[in-house]
Amino acid sequence: SQKIEQNSEALNIQEGKTATLTCNYTNYSPAYLQWYRQDPGRGPVFLLLIRENEKEKRKERLKVTFDTTLKQSLFHITASQPADSATYLCAPLDSNYQLIWGAGTKLIIKP
Amino acid sequence: ETGVTQSPTHLIKTRGQQVTLRCSSQSGHNTVSWYQQALGQGPQFIFQYYREEENGRGNFPPRFSGLQFPNYSSELNVNALELDDSALYLCASSLLGDREREKLFFGSGTQLSVL
Repeated sequence: SQKIEQNSEALNIQEGKTATLTCNYTNYSPAYLQWYRQDPGRGPVFLLLIRENEKEKRKERLKVTFDTTLKQSLFHITASQPADSATYLCAPLDSNYQLIWGAGTKLIIKP
Repeated sequence: ETGVTQSPTHLIKTRGQQVTLRCSSQSGHNTVSWYQQALGQGPQFIFQYYREEENGRGNFPPRFSGLQFPNYSSELNVNALELDDSALYLCASSLLGDREREKLFFGSGTQLSVL
């Protein structure tokens, strides 16, 4: 079955450093993959979408990579700030054209 | 702000009861998807409606049903509530068919507690 894995433990990063989050998927090849941010008690907010023919996508301090050979996407936040603290969700598109969601990685940026 | 509103924000029901959750999509969007999110988990796809027709369903029993109205607002109905139905229910709207707008716009969710 199609499966998504994200770092299950919280990631603690010092303010100003680069945070890197990992998303691994198995048993299929998504046409694209999305990343969302979710704050407690709120719905996810779209950040970036990367397609299978794209290696890298950037938006301000955010960067996403997509390695279809490794079946992995990496999400980077450079010059991290305490306001970046949230849970980040990875969601590749499945074979039924619906998103499959990882459980998310909780990111904590310490001042 | 995404322009997607959900009501109510919180709800407490008892086992066996029925519940209706409501969602108002972002203006111009023709598709609504409903998700269930348990604490510490990612959203689980329940179903999607496109132009008032069901357009995909996840692994949820028939007691989870939905409607989409001509104005693209939507309802999620759950019958015979079970304790495991306690979760955050999220509604997301999107514009199907527009390749550049495959992203989802979520509401803040309805927190359902079943006692």
